[in-house]
Amino acid sequence: DTGVSQNPRHKITKRGQNVTFRCDPISEHNRLYWYRQTLGQGPEFLTYFQNEAQLEKSRLLSDRFSAERPKGSFSTLEIQRTEQGDSAMYLCASSPSGTTANYGYTFGSGTRLTVV
Amino acid sequence: EDKVVQSPLSLVVHEGDTVTLNCSYEVTNFRSLLWYKQEKKAPTFLFMLTSSGIEKKSGRLSSILDKKELFSILNITATQTGDSAVYLCAVASVSNFGNEKLTFGTGTRLTIIP
Repeated sequence: DTGVSQNPRHKITKRGQNVTFRCDPISEHNRLYWYRQTLGQGPEFLTYFQNEAQLEKSRLLSDRFSAERPKGSFSTLEIQRTEQGDSAMYLCASSPSGTTANYGYTFGSGTRLTVV
Repeated sequence: EDKVVQSPLSLVVHEGDTVTLNCSYEVTNFRSLLWYKQEKKAPTFLFMLTSSGIEKKSGRLSSILDKKELFSILNITATQTGDSAVYLCAVASVSNFGNEKLTFGTGTRLTIIP
């Protein structure tokens, strides 16, 4: 297992288009998180899955955003009708339940979205 | 709302210097504090701290947590150019919905001049 994998690495899209990102967490990790990071800022929490259940969503996650984690494995984050303000790095992280105390969360390399 | 504040926002030092990065926090239901190093891509895990006063060390890096004063420091001794990065502090807390999440500071951008 090579860690958390995110695809694509970069995405340029025109305003108004829909985009979808994928995250493949570490296989034995049942917790999965999406974060968004804009330039010069720390990552901001978007949503959290425990297995296939989406247990929490940030108020940052407008109704244009939807995330899924079918079967509790990979996750997708879709943004509909993209706006220029959606331009950011979208980071996925995973962790095993109950033992984050020692190893923290493992982050993927992120998908950098540019909306033009 | 949970808040994590890092200082300084940026720091430029010469190779071989020692640096101290600061992180203060205000969160409800604190669980742990984490330090990450971020170069051009994903944050990479450095330390997780849960108990006050116990220093964690990894090579030239060390960190300590003060849960009474609500802050942590990250020290880097004998800095090298490879230490140039953004250092992120994050606090793990339990939300109102009972789920753990991370709240990040804006990071300290460290630049090491050869």
